[in-house]
Amino acid sequence: DAKTTQPNSMESNEEEPVHLPCNHSTISGTDYIHWYRQLPSQGPEYVIHGLTSNVNNRMASLAIAEDRKSSTLILHRATLRDAAVYYCILTRDTGRRALTFGSGTRLQVQP
Amino acid sequence: GAGVSQSPRYKVAKRGQDVALRCDPISGHVSLFWYQQALGQGPEFLTYFQNEAQLDKSGLPSDRFFAERPEGSVSTLKIQRTQQEDSAVYLCASSLTRGTLAKNIQYFGAGTRLSVL
Repeated sequence: DAKTTQPNSMESNEEEPVHLPCNHSTISGTDYIHWYRQLPSQGPEYVIHGLTSNVNNRMASLAIAEDRKSSTLILHRATLRDAAVYYCILTRDTGRRALTFGSGTRLQVQP
Repeated sequence: GAGVSQSPRYKVAKRGQDVALRCDPISGHVSLFWYQQALGQGPEFLTYFQNEAQLDKSGLPSDRFFAERPEGSVSTLKIQRTQQEDSAVYLCASSLTRGTLAKNIQYFGAGTRLSVL
């Protein structure tokens, strides 16, 4: 399975934008890029996913590099509720069907 | 609508005791997954069901771990003769479509925190 690399932790101030990076240099052409987040004492929660084009939804935006070897999750205005561990995960149509979580990025949001 | 429900939320077991953890997936979801999450780590895959069929149990750490989903809805993860290293949060997730479609979204429950003393 292709591996992802994320910083262990990041800090942000409330109401400022946050850019969470993810490197996936061994991504294959059919791998999707998913982001999940896990709030304290909760199960992971789907945030966004994409293949090649940038994606927007009500929670966040996903910017995918042209060579697809990296991506960035963008939270446009961080709130205290966005403090969580963010996981960047690659998925594909073959092989193991489950999600492979790394250690993720712990985002702290300061008031 | 109702999400994935897991019970109990917390379970304390004495070493050697058997435990059963329950997962109620979102109604109509074909796929069901169990994950184990140790403190400070990301979740790790245990097993996967498509309807009532257990298609992948490669992540189960030992033969003390057993999962079932007899009618293709509710699932139970059973751990026999619990050991201290089994202490973790056990997460259940369900997904609407069958199979491994790469754009599948998984919906997680809040988990069961198991502490083995």
